[in-house]
Amino acid sequence: DGGITQSPKYLFRKEGQNVTLSCEQNLNHDAMYWYRQDPGQGLRLIYYSQIVNDFQKGDIAEGYSVSREKKESFPLTVTSAQKNPTAFYLCASSLGPKETQYFGPGTRLLVL
Amino acid sequence: SQQGEEDPQALSIQEGENATMNCSYKTSINNLQWYRQNSGRGLVHLILIRSNEREKHSGRLRVTLDTSKKSSSLLITASRAADTASYFCATPQEDTGRRALTFGSGTRLQVQP
Repeated sequence: DGGITQSPKYLFRKEGQNVTLSCEQNLNHDAMYWYRQDPGQGLRLIYYSQIVNDFQKGDIAEGYSVSREKKESFPLTVTSAQKNPTAFYLCASSLGPKETQYFGPGTRLLVL
Repeated sequence: SQQGEEDPQALSIQEGENATMNCSYKTSINNLQWYRQNSGRGLVHLILIRSNEREKHSGRLRVTLDTSKKSSSLLITASRAADTASYFCATPQEDTGRRALTFGSGTRLQVQP
């Protein structure tokens, strides 16, 4: 089965803690993306990567970090600098920057 | 600035009726895409229309694109309760130079059985 997966489905963060959200795809896509979605809102771009070992900031990168060491994987770390991390996080991938994006099921991050 | 903006923000209709959602954008585009999101789930791609196309169909979906007005519409015919979801338009970020899409804030469609 080809697709994009995210884990965990739910994640709880304590004050001052860094947490990492996983995103894996086996679609052989070069491009991968992370979005944040707040209740009743649209998607805001956090980071994106068009190729392995390269990534770019999106509209709301502060308090987040990413890596792209493998084509299949694009983990997102929510650092303690992100003061309001509670949100639904979506990962996506595509063949190219203007093409159809395929989304994972999302990770809901909650703060304890 | 928001590249894609959907209108209306929310829409409630009866099963069997048609639902029309609109999207406006600001800069020239290569293509425009429509996505659907069921509550608490990831987005699913519905249809992509390129800038040289005026209309595209897929099952009960009909998308139009008017590049002179910088707008697109998504029509769902003979709606079903299962069509209840949020619908987003997305366009390449031509204005920022970023190699990514910009998503609008979405239209929340409720289809009453």
